[in-house]
Amino acid sequence: GPKVLQIPSHQIIDMGQMVTLNCDPVSNHLYFYWYKQILGQQMEFLVNFYNGKVMEKSKLFKDQFSVERPDGSYFTLKIQPTALEDSAVYFCASSFGTGGTNTGQLYFGEGSKLTVL
Amino acid sequence: QQKVQQSPESLTVSEGAMASLNCTFSDGTSNNFRWYRQHSAKGLEVLVSIFSDGEKEEGRFTAHLNRANLHVSLHIREPQPSDSAVYLCAVNTGYQNFYFGKGTSLTVIP
Repeated sequence: GPKVLQIPSHQIIDMGQMVTLNCDPVSNHLYFYWYKQILGQQMEFLVNFYNGKVMEKSKLFKDQFSVERPDGSYFTLKIQPTALEDSAVYFCASSFGTGGTNTGQLYFGEGSKLTVL
Repeated sequence: QQKVQQSPESLTVSEGAMASLNCTFSDGTSNNFRWYRQHSAKGLEVLVSIFSDGEKEEGRFTAHLNRANLHVSLHIREPQPSDSAVYLCAVNTGYQNFYFGKGTSLTVIP
């Protein structure tokens, strides 16, 4: 099936540093998402993004978080500065469309594991 | 806020026996329900999507939706050991904001 690629697969950084997680979504998809999963806990929505703008974000999407996709390149999640509680696996997803249709199907990457020391 | 709860937390079935997983949600306006599975903290694999009451089948996976009861289920026909994974229910609220349950850990024994 369609593949979403995430880089890096694992990153370890010191608290307070900046980190950028990269996502290469499915090529013709228009909607992009970030989810956060702390080990052993459920997947939680962070943000969705369309046409260069954040459409929705959750309370987990703190001021230190930002997303962008400059000119069709990677869809990125930047955290600056990082905090200990940001340690988690971050999953990127993309979809062609939205809503109650098959075009709204989200396809997920394998995740970027972030460890903040 | 949407609450999505899955049961049971874990389930063990024998190869070939039907596996049934449950998911309840709190937002009665939700119209977009998806089942995924996750192998060992890897990415999510799409299984089946359902948008209206009734049944939707994708291969060995069948979803049943009853929005009046705020319930969606997944049935796996003839499960194999390779189907052992965590199964996640996702329900939308708002524009395209999916809430996930905590998952059901399925083990299929030969």
